[in-house]
Amino acid sequence: QKEVEQDPGPLSVPEGAIVSLNCTYSNSAFQYFMWYRQYSRKGPELLMYTYSSGNKEDGRFTAQVDKSSKYISLFIRDSQPSDSATYLCATLSNTGNQFYFGTGTSLTVIP
Amino acid sequence: EAGVTQFPSHSVIEKGQTVTLRCDPISGHDNLYWYRRVMGKEIKFLLHFVKESKQDESGMPNNRFLAERTGGTYSTLKVQPAELEDSGVYFCASSHGVDYGYTFGSGTRLTVV
Repeated sequence: QKEVEQDPGPLSVPEGAIVSLNCTYSNSAFQYFMWYRQYSRKGPELLMYTYSSGNKEDGRFTAQVDKSSKYISLFIRDSQPSDSATYLCATLSNTGNQFYFGTGTSLTVIP
Repeated sequence: EAGVTQFPSHSVIEKGQTVTLRCDPISGHDNLYWYRRVMGKEIKFLLHFVKESKQDESGMPNNRFLAERTGGTYSTLKVQPAELEDSGVYFCASSHGVDYGYTFGSGTRLTVV
C-alpha cells in the first residue's frame, strides 16, 4: 500500500472558482503534512504545511488535515491562472528524513 | 540566497553508458537529499546526506547508483551502467535542519535510450 494516494486529475476550472485537492495517507502515525506546487520544468516548491490535525490558512490557500479519516486537503479560493501547476501532497516519514509524495494533481485555471 | 542548483538540466544517454548528475545545495545546508520521479509515478526518496555522511540510502534502487558528497558541499549521483528504467527526473533538495523545510532544485531529466 502506498503511503500517500492522490487523484492525478487533471483538473480544469474557470478563474475565480474554488479548488479542492485531496489525498489520503496510510499510516496514522504521520504527523507532518505538506502541499507542494510544481510548475512545469521546475522543482517542487513548498506551499503549505500542517502539523497533526486541523486547518491552516495562508491567503487564498487553506490546508486541512483530518486524522480520523487520514485525509488531507488543499483548498484554493478565487483561483487564478497563475495557480495552474501540479500540486503534490506529501507527508514526512516517522524518521523525519524523507517525504512520501502523492503522484500530483495537475490543475489548470482557465481565464 | 542562491537556490539549489542541479546540472545538467537534461541528459540523454545510451543504455550501458555512465552518467553523473551534480547538485549544489544552498550554502550552509548540512542536509542534502536525492529524489527521483519516474514517469507516471510519484517522487520517491533515494538518499539523505548529513554533511558528507550518508544518513539513509534505503531508497537507492541498486548498486548501479553511487552518490557522493565531497567535503559536505556539492553532491554527485552516478549511474553506471545506465538502464532504460533509470529514465526519469532526478531532484536534489537541501535543508538546514532535519525538518520540513526542503528547498528543491529544478531537477535533471535523464533519458536512457
